[in-house]
Amino acid sequence: DTEVTQTPKHLVMGMTNKKSLKCEQHMGHRAMYWYKQKAKKPPELMFVYSYEKLSINESVPSRFSPECPNSSLLNLHLHALQPEDSALYLCASSQVQLAGGGRHEQFFGPGTRLTVL
Amino acid sequence: AQSVTQPDIHITVSEGASLELRCNYSYGATPYLFWYVQSPGQGLQLLLKYFSGDTLVQGIKGFEAEFKRSQSSFNLRKPSVHWSDAAEYFCAVGRGSQGNLIFGKGTKLSVKP
Repeated sequence: DTEVTQTPKHLVMGMTNKKSLKCEQHMGHRAMYWYKQKAKKPPELMFVYSYEKLSINESVPSRFSPECPNSSLLNLHLHALQPEDSALYLCASSQVQLAGGGRHEQFFGPGTRLTVL
Repeated sequence: AQSVTQPDIHITVSEGASLELRCNYSYGATPYLFWYVQSPGQGLQLLLKYFSGDTLVQGIKGFEAEFKRSQSSFNLRKPSVHWSDAAEYFCAVGRGSQGNLIFGKGTKLSVKP
């Protein structure tokens, strides 16, 4: 199985709502990532998890809260978002390697299209 | 700092014509280089990668790329473009030990019938 799945595909939420995005992979990868992609822009890294521990937080506002409950699952909890947070949220996974490029070879899910009203 | 430049924002080619998308990188050490493709509203699909060794790498869907260290380039090529190749193409370089990918701004490919 070489697939990363993300649910939901689309999400519309108000600024006072709490919602969660879910990502799952069964490739045995122990590194997982959240990216944010605005229209006509490249993906921007938000968070990196290695062995279920948060290793990188790219100065993301606290209204985004990641969680990695096990090696196959990655969640992104959303609370009190702003309209400018509307974007495509991409999840990715990769192997964890100390050398070589395998760590950077990331497999992406289809994304969740988030609209904040 | 590491960076990736894709000089062409939008390219239009005729179906059946050859294609070359340009990518230049700035990186001190031997780079890990990637090309991804993204169809509208979809995730990114890895086309090919370069870690080391042979500088001409083959990927999926008939794509290939050539790593040229002297020119800091990793250009993507395809000998004959199909209408289904219309998409956004991103070049990326791997940075650091935590798997950071630095993406170029992307090149949108349109295919004329």
